[in-house]
Amino acid sequence: DGGITQSPKYLFRKEGQNVTLSCEQNLNHDAMYWYRQDPGQGLRLIYYSQIVNDFQKGDIAEGYSVSREKKESFPLTVTSAQKNPTAFYLCASSTRGSTDTQYFGPGTRLTVL
Amino acid sequence: AQSVTQLDSHVSVSEGTPVLLRCNYSSSYSPSLFWYVQHPNKGLQLLLKYTSAATLVKGINGFEAEFKKSETSFHLTKPSAHMSDAAEYFCVVRDTFGTGTRLQVTL
Repeated sequence: DGGITQSPKYLFRKEGQNVTLSCEQNLNHDAMYWYRQDPGQGLRLIYYSQIVNDFQKGDIAEGYSVSREKKESFPLTVTSAQKNPTAFYLCASSTRGSTDTQYFGPGTRLTVL
Repeated sequence: AQSVTQLDSHVSVSEGTPVLLRCNYSSSYSPSLFWYVQHPNKGLQLLLKYTSAATLVKGINGFEAEFKKSETSFHLTKPSAHMSDAAEYFCVVRDTFGTGTRLQVTL
């Protein structure tokens, strides 16, 4: 089955710790995205990548980092510098870029204790 | 640069009555417009996409949206609501999401 997988589904971390969220796709898509979803605020773009070894900051990149070493994978690290990391994180991919339909993973809910 | 405004955070309709979810946008480029739906505890799913081939776009589950350039709007409609339509709906310009409209459908 083609699709996007995110792991884990739920993640708990202590304040001050870095944590990495996984995102993998087997759709052969060039572009991948990370969004954060908070109640009443919709989805906000954290980072996006249109090609391997290249990525761009979105609207709320502070406190986050990404890598794109493989076409299939786009992991997101939430660092201790992110002041309010508790949220629902969604990964997506599209064929080439943001003019194409995005396909979303099931999401990871991160809770900072 | 682009922005999206969803004019209603919450819409409530009775089953069998029409649905209207409003969206206004601004874009420096020819807009790529989408509507996505998010059901509780489920992922985001594409409802429809404006491709510039036609101003009236038909999507899944009986939903439609009309692109009006003069009004910079892309409102989502459905003639008759069903209980299963209860969800959160997002209007999107490229990778910029609106804040969402929660649709409630009552008996």
